[in-house]
Amino acid sequence: NAGVTQTPKFRILKIGQSMTLQCTQDMNHNYMYWYRQDPGMGLKLIYYSVGAGITDKGEVPNGYNVSRSTTEDFPLRLELAAPSQTSVYFCASSYSSVYNEQFFGPGTRLTVL
Amino acid sequence: RKEVEQDPGPFNVPEGATVAFNCTYSNSASQSFFWYRQDCRKEPKLLMSVYSSGNEDGRFTAQLNRASQYISLLIRDSKLSDSATYLCVVNTRSGNQFYFGTGTSLTVIP
Repeated sequence: NAGVTQTPKFRILKIGQSMTLQCTQDMNHNYMYWYRQDPGMGLKLIYYSVGAGITDKGEVPNGYNVSRSTTEDFPLRLELAAPSQTSVYFCASSYSSVYNEQFFGPGTRLTVL
Repeated sequence: RKEVEQDPGPFNVPEGATVAFNCTYSNSASQSFFWYRQDCRKEPKLLMSVYSSGNEDGRFTAQLNRASQYISLLIRDSKLSDSATYLCVVNTRSGNQFYFGTGTSLTVIP
């Protein structure tokens, strides 16, 4: 099993550009999450999904959108990139939410200039 | 008030030392608790789940104090390989969200 995979690993965007961060898991997990981690800070939840077709906002959803058309994939869309979105983005999945371990992807390092 | 708070450190300890980290959480309804480890520029990985009765895994011991709303992590006989950032994570039954602390940095010195 590959676990959670994310692409790209690195990306530089210009202000106002858009992009999609890809996340795929092969563990048949129901729950998937997108976090951002700024330097010296904890992870902040952007969006999460409890199953295909169901998504909900986390702590910091502004400027992002998600979709969950399949169990495996949970892409994160950035529209009109801003310097404040410079961060490391982690995707994670878990079997269920309350008591189960989250498995993280290796992250995408995004810089907006 | 933040959902989860940790002392950021850094903690610099010699090899073989015992070190303890604490983490406080604000929501008394919180149901599950974890310690994750994050190496520099890497993804977080689960170190331990924290149970009400406390639990131990080799040199690592985790404790939960519901009355005071804090969890702790004790590392005995520190190794150089323990150098990392330790993240406290709390989940609430009322939602599907995990809240992460900002992490405590540990450096074990030869």
